[in-house]
Amino acid sequence: GAGVSQTPSNKVTEKGKYVELRCDPISGHTALYWYRQSLGQGPEFLIYFQGTGAADDSGLPNDRFFAVRPEGSVSTLKIQRTERGDSAVYLCASSPGPGPDEQFFGPGTRLTVL
Amino acid sequence: EDQVTQSPEALRLQEGESSSLNCSYTVSGLRGLFWYRQDPGKGPEFLFTLYSAGEEKEKERLKATLTKKESFLHITAPKPEDSATYLCAGENQAGTALIFGKGTTLSVSS
Repeated sequence: GAGVSQTPSNKVTEKGKYVELRCDPISGHTALYWYRQSLGQGPEFLIYFQGTGAADDSGLPNDRFFAVRPEGSVSTLKIQRTERGDSAVYLCASSPGPGPDEQFFGPGTRLTVL
Repeated sequence: EDQVTQSPEALRLQEGESSSLNCSYTVSGLRGLFWYRQDPGKGPEFLFTLYSAGEEKEKERLKATLTKKESFLHITAPKPEDSATYLCAGENQAGTALIFGKGTTLSVSS
């Protein structure tokens, strides 16, 4: 596929459970971003990867959130001990490299914490 | 604190009725100002990037402009298929994140 893909498209979990959200960026894109979008709000930055390393994780709300990109392509966002306030759409984006390039967004994963 | 504010929150137009959406920003060392379109249930779709005051870009019925404090998205003779949420975002000084506004939801009726 040519675009950014995210799996699953929907995830329903119970409060306190652990979840993993996956992002497949566009092939060859070295920059990868995670955002969170609540209803009626714009996307909110979580973390930025350049290659395998997290170059900016200042948007992660607390230490329950963690993301990895071990081989510089696929990334996984991990949320421990989920809370109802974590319910949102989690968006992944990629761009060819660092700098003000266009970010290509995936369709998002809708997370619902019951 | 870096901030992006969009107005109005919602806009209803008749087909063919031109209007403008506003984006005001306070982003230190702004590297680029981005406009995206988002349809319900989908991720944002890139429209434009503007880099310096006075710059303008056009695509079909849309034109984006940039000043030192604001950006405008002008919609000329809109059609129902232009209905969507339009998001404005500034890239932070470090070049590591987009700071989004809440968006303007545009509805165009025929």
